[in-house]
Amino acid sequence: GAGVSQTPSNKVTEKGKYVELRCDPISGHTALYWYRQSLGQGPEFLIYFQGTGAADDSGLPNDRFFAVRPEGSVSTLKIQRTERGDSAVYLCASSLGGGSGYQETQYFGPGTRLLVL
Amino acid sequence: RKEVEQDPGPFNVPEGATVAFNCTYSNSASQSFFWYRQDCRKEPKLLMSVYSSGNEDGRFTAQLNRASQYISLLIRDSKLSDSATYLCAVKHGWQGAQKLVFGQGTRLTINP
Repeated sequence: GAGVSQTPSNKVTEKGKYVELRCDPISGHTALYWYRQSLGQGPEFLIYFQGTGAADDSGLPNDRFFAVRPEGSVSTLKIQRTERGDSAVYLCASSLGGGSGYQETQYFGPGTRLLVL
Repeated sequence: RKEVEQDPGPFNVPEGATVAFNCTYSNSASQSFFWYRQDCRKEPKLLMSVYSSGNEDGRFTAQLNRASQYISLLIRDSKLSDSATYLCAVKHGWQGAQKLVFGQGTRLTINP
């Protein structure tokens, strides 16, 4: 079946602009996660949703970052007033959720490469 | 100090060699452990979960040492196709859906 999809695959923007990154999880997965990966580093957690609600947003670096998942499926990560330091690959992942087991697998999408000039 | 630490490498080994990576974690609340593989400019993909008693999947063996708070990955008879970055990840608690905390990754190159 279809995996996690993310759009756009690449996004170039100017400092100060607003961007939206979209994630479409695997069908039936109730848990959705956003991570950010800088060059040479592992993915860094941003936020995760269980259904429509943000269960843990402790990784959002500041209030310029916001994410929504209004219908419990597709999620949008929104970044206001972008800064050059926001340049990274933004990865989305999904998992079954619902307490399906502690070894529950997270499946990652291909990521959105964001470059802030 | 980062919560999950790995030797970034790079590791350059000849085809057919055995290679081992370690990953240390500092949060004793960590309950679930994973190895992911990430190819260049691709997303991480789960290689294997790490179970308390250790587990093996073909040429890959994962071990967990809770007392010393590290996990390891052993690759036997390495293939050219094993060249990738290997990320260890931990999850706190027993609940299924929780964030993963990743190490920075260890880059492996298998040479012909």
